[in-house]
Amino acid sequence: AQRVTQPEKLLSVFKGAPVELKCNYSYSGSPELFWYVQYSRQRLQLLLRHISRESIKGFTADLNKGETSFHLKKPFAQEEDSAMYYCALKGNFNKFYFGSGTKLNVKP
Amino acid sequence: NAGVMQNPRHLVRRRGQEARLRCSPMKGHSHVYWYRQLPEEGLKFMVYLQKENIIDESGMPKERFSAEFPKEGPSILRIQQVVRGDSAAYFCASSPRGTPDQPQHFGDGTRLSIL
Repeated sequence: AQRVTQPEKLLSVFKGAPVELKCNYSYSGSPELFWYVQYSRQRLQLLLRHISRESIKGFTADLNKGETSFHLKKPFAQEEDSAMYYCALKGNFNKFYFGSGTKLNVKP
Repeated sequence: NAGVMQNPRHLVRRRGQEARLRCSPMKGHSHVYWYRQLPEEGLKFMVYLQKENIIDESGMPKERFSAEFPKEGPSILRIQQVVRGDSAAYFCASSPRGTPDQPQHFGDGTRLSIL
């Protein structure tokens, strides 16, 4: 069954510290994975997608098929990174599966 | 190209009333998804629709909730006889058909408050 797991509900780090938001998935086919960010009381915005292999706002994510993971990383967290982060998988028939989200709190 | 439009942004209802939430997908998008977000909680899938078809409603409560996406006009999420527990932010997202790597695009959400 398709599933996306974000094991951490809350992650607190200090400004300038590295951050890694974990995402594991379960999918039988070839996955398409995304990270979305939701700043306080705003809409979800696409942060990055694995197929683009891009870096947005200093964030990167590498798809590891062996570990079925798509962790989001940033070497130096900023206060403005504080937000809710969702990992998502696009499965068959255009259906999306979202993780339960990780709230990132970057402390000054 | 306007984004996903949801209205109203805020909706207040008394217990027992009906709530209607509207979502106009991005131009050219034929897939619509509804999600519910309770305060301080994550996003919960409710229903996935294509034009005139419900593809997956596994996340939607079986009673009081219904959704449609007619041939013409916006998608509607309807909640009958609302209760306090329905208070939440309801987000709509849309995606185009076909291209495999296209993400969903989200609206600003409707914040439903039940008095």
